[in-house]
Amino acid sequence: GENVGLHLPTLSVQEGDNSIINCAYSNSASDYFIWYKQESGKGPQFIIDIRSNMDKRQGQRVTVLLNKTVKHLSLQIAATQPGDSAVYFCAETGTSYDKVIFGPGTSLSVIP
Amino acid sequence: NAGVTQTPKFQVLKTGQSMTLQCAQDMNHEYMSWYRQDPGMGLRLIHYSVGAGITDQGEVPNGYNVSRSTTEDFPLRLLSAAPSQTSVYFCASSYTSGGTGELFFGEGSRLTVL
Repeated sequence: GENVGLHLPTLSVQEGDNSIINCAYSNSASDYFIWYKQESGKGPQFIIDIRSNMDKRQGQRVTVLLNKTVKHLSLQIAATQPGDSAVYFCAETGTSYDKVIFGPGTSLSVIP
Repeated sequence: NAGVTQTPKFQVLKTGQSMTLQCAQDMNHEYMSWYRQDPGMGLRLIHYSVGAGITDQGEVPNGYNVSRSTTEDFPLRLLSAAPSQTSVYFCASSYTSGGTGELFFGEGSRLTVL
């Protein structure tokens, strides 16, 4: 049958502002969470990860927050730049460390 | 350093044809996996391997076969292509089990089934 693609959630931010991308996960047993960035026509690239025994982890210009109570993950990008325009995916391992399951993604558009 | 190499980058098949998507990595990674990505959607895991000789099913394995005879290579076989298999396919590898380390992705193989 016809493959009808879903429209990705889109976030538009001004260059220099902070961006917050949210992700809800379903498996309360998930132990490891990862954020990936995918630029147009390319494969995803690792940004940052966090384990379930942490609630916050910081990298260069990025911070990941984990709220296990409400099964929510967020990625904060400080001083957003045009090069940050991409689709961002959260991923989790669920009950098996061998399976990395991706969420639906959010498209970030940076307005110069 | 080539990383993860996928071939071909583009392929058009007719319904019922079979083909193999090749994936090779030169990082001596034990873990390799295949995903498909449909327009406007996330990546869905097809098959994965935690080492040579070991493969297992992901979320959407039907219609696909894999084998892992060497650490470097992880080919994905479409047995009898269907239009529903039109997608972009990504191969990924990791130095550890996929859930505990960064996945390195190839550039993708775009497959169209008519």
